[in-house]
Amino acid sequence: GAVVSQHPSWVICKSGTSVKIECRSLDFQATTMFWYRQFPKQSLMLMATSNEGSKATYEQGVEKDKFLINHASLTLSTLTVTSAHPEDSSFYICSATSREGTYNEQFFGPGTRLTVL
Amino acid sequence: GDSVTQMEGPVTLSEEAFLTINCTYTATGYPSLFWYVQYPGEGLQLLLKATKADDKGSNKGFEATYRKETTSFHLEKGSVQVSDSAVYFCARNPYAGGTSYGKLTFGQGTILTVHP
Repeated sequence: GAVVSQHPSWVICKSGTSVKIECRSLDFQATTMFWYRQFPKQSLMLMATSNEGSKATYEQGVEKDKFLINHASLTLSTLTVTSAHPEDSSFYICSATSREGTYNEQFFGPGTRLTVL
Repeated sequence: GDSVTQMEGPVTLSEEAFLTINCTYTATGYPSLFWYVQYPGEGLQLLLKATKADDKGSNKGFEATYRKETTSFHLEKGSVQVSDSAVYFCARNPYAGGTSYGKLTFGQGTILTVHP
């Protein structure tokens, strides 16, 4: 089946630094990638939708200057948390939709745990 | 707008018990419906899906039927195992079939714990 990877799986950083998270589709070309944030014991909150070669579309309330998304190729999207603060600590999950096969299905990465000290 | 409501957890069952996790959705458009499972420390995995009314999705002993008349997609399993302990999410997308996929809207998740 389709596989999506994320790197790193966890990261700890100091307040004020920037952190980049990568999302890769390993065995398929992803038309669209989605970035979610998941708080402990809560559901996933969609942050943004990114299409290859175009600017990401952010959900209401998500700061686009703080969460920079780049979708440079059909297999890679990156999320950069700029000037991270403790309140940005969370579990970030990406998903990707394939050009082929079932149009309805999203394939999820394993997530990245970000802890900001 | 689109929304999905799941029964609140946590749900605690003994092994071999019957499981039902309720899920209802707002009846806007013609959505596809999904159940995802998240095992401890892992990402979401698609468990099953249904793309139109009266479809039944099934996988690993789990089943859910797309009920348009009650706008429901309840998850059931006849005999749960300890290995089924996880968080279960119901979800919908805005469209159905064709080339449209759209953003997923998730329910709040239900924690299931199965004891031996």
